[in-house]
Amino acid sequence: AQKITQTQPGMFVQEKEAVTLDCTYDTSDPSYGLFWYKQPSSGEMIFLIYQGSYDQQNATEGRYSLNFQKARKSANLVISASQLGDSAMYFCAMREARGNQGGKLIFGQGTELSVKP
Amino acid sequence: NAGVTQTPKFQVLKTGQSMTLQCAQDMNHNSMYWYRQDPGMGLRLIYYSASEGTTDKGEVPNGYNVSRLNKREFSLRLESAAPSQTSVYFCASTPGVSNQPQHFGDGTRLSIL
Repeated sequence: AQKITQTQPGMFVQEKEAVTLDCTYDTSDPSYGLFWYKQPSSGEMIFLIYQGSYDQQNATEGRYSLNFQKARKSANLVISASQLGDSAMYFCAMREARGNQGGKLIFGQGTELSVKP
Repeated sequence: NAGVTQTPKFQVLKTGQSMTLQCAQDMNHNSMYWYRQDPGMGLRLIYYSASEGTTDKGEVPNGYNVSRLNKREFSLRLESAAPSQTSVYFCASTPGVSNQPQHFGDGTRLSIL
């Protein structure tokens, strides 16, 4: 079974509008972390935002926020006021704590976001 | 700041050739990782090293070997390259603390003919 599911292979958004990228996860570990990365066409992986399973508030970093719904096991990335430079592939990833001293991440398949001028 | 440095950036091999991908980090991180990225499949973990002196298999270890040479360096070796190993390879590192992100190198684009 997929541990991280990103159901939107591709999305379009108009410049200056907000967009939500979906991520659902599957774990029985009560302690875990969720990460979002951006991969522009140049190929590098850029860390955007982190949410811990015990964090009381949704994480925010500038124009990025994470809509964390623990009971639904979803951790959607919200990008406000989209910019042309936001066009990229976005990956959701999870790190489980149990039996994971190495800190391994499990990645979703990614969502390709295109921002239209 | 260099961060995570991977060499080479591009490589073309013939089937059966061997190759070592190099990775070095200057952030004093404990844990290091090798991933491969194929279209439509996200990143899949090949091998990782939780700390200096240890290595473990990830999701797709077959056909690869690794060496954690010291705290800074973690290399990935293809002993006998196969076309199925054509991919983009990423090295990453992290301090090891659970809420710290992995920092990635720029990737190595490897083609095997």
